[in-house]
Parts: sequence; structure tokens; C-alpha cells
Amino acid sequence: RKEVEQDPGPFNVPEGATVAFNCTYSNSASQSFFWYRQDCRKEPKLLMSVYSSGNEDGRFTAQLNRASQYISLLIRDSKLSDSATYLCVVLNSPNDYKLSFGAGTTVTVRA
Amino acid sequence: DVKVTQSSRYLVKRTGEKVFLECVQDMDHENMFWYRQDPGLGLRLIYFSYDVKMKEKGDIPEGYSVSREKKERFSLILESASTNQTSMYLCASSLLVYEQYFGPGTRLTVT
Repeated sequence: RKEVEQDPGPFNVPEGATVAFNCTYSNSASQSFFWYRQDCRKEPKLLMSVYSSGNEDGRFTAQLNRASQYISLLIRDSKLSDSATYLCVVLNSPNDYKLSFGAGTTVTVRA
Repeated sequence: DVKVTQSSRYLVKRTGEKVFLECVQDMDHENMFWYRQDPGLGLRLIYFSYDVKMKEKGDIPEGYSVSREKKERFSLILESASTNQTSMYLCASSLLVYEQYFGPGTRLTVT
């Protein structure tokens, strides 16, 4: 079983729509969670951390559900520039050096 | 702004050749990483270095070696390239493990 699993999509949504997708992780002891964003033919970049209480960054909302071992990302009022692949990332312990990356969920926002 | 550069964007090598991929970062980061990214598999860690001359194996070190003689430079070496090493190779550096800054990647084709 993969450590981090994501629905690859693609999620095709019109501008202005809300899109949400999940990521599941297999290690119940995992400590920290993040979303990275990777534009087409570009390198991944940290989008946001995911806190236990949930957090927002502008139009982006991240949630963590430890009981069911998944994290989610919701994008409100989608823009064309939100088109990207979103990578779910897990850090198993604060002393760990290794991030576990999901294969990514592709979102395409159309005009 | 952190800048991570990689020596080549595209590289074509023959089976059995020795291949060097270079990565340089300009932010004095302690940590540097080499990943490969393949469709459907996400980013997989090949090697990690937390200091000059220090290295740790990642998930898939077989067929690869690394060198870190200077803090800013981390090299990935394919001792004898094989077709199954055709991939996108991404270098990253970080101060904090979870906030990694990636280079633009090298797309390596082994024929």
C-alpha cells in the first residue's frame, strides 16, 4: 500500500467554481501534513501546511481528519491560474528527514 | 528568493554511460535532496544530505550515488545508466525539512 494516495483526477471545473479533493495516508503516527503545488512542466512549491484545526490561506482551505487518516484541500472561486497538480505531502515525525509525496491530483480550471 | 539550479534541463545518454547531474543552491541550506518523479508514482527520494560529505539513502538508492563536497553543491551520479533510470530528476534544498525548494528538474532519457 502506498504511504500517500491521491485521486489523480483530472478535476475539470469552470472559473468561479469550488473544487475539493482528498488524500489518504497509511501511517497513523504521521505528524505533519502539507500541500505542494506543481504547475505543468515546473517544479513543486510549498502551497500550505495543514494544521489539526484546519486552516485557510485566501481561497484555499486545508483540513485534517486524523481518525480517518485523510487530508483535504478546497479551492473556492477557482481561477485559471489555479490549474496545476496538487501534491499531498506527509512528514512522519518532527525528526524525520523524509517527506512522503503523493502522486498528485490534477485540477484544470476552464474559462 | 531561494534559487536552486540544475546543470541540464534535458539529457540523453546511452545505456552503460556514467551520468552526472549537478545541483547548486544559493541559500546556505544544510539539507539537500535528490528525487525522481515518474507518472503515477510521485516523487521518490533517492538520496539526502544534511551536511557536507554526509549522505543518507532514500527509498530508491540502487544504481545511484551522490557527492557533496561543498555545502551549495549536491551531485547525483548514475554509475552505469540503464533504461529504467529514464525519468525526471529533481533536486531540492531546505532549511526546514518540510519546506523544500526545488530546482527546475532534469529530464533524463537513457536509450
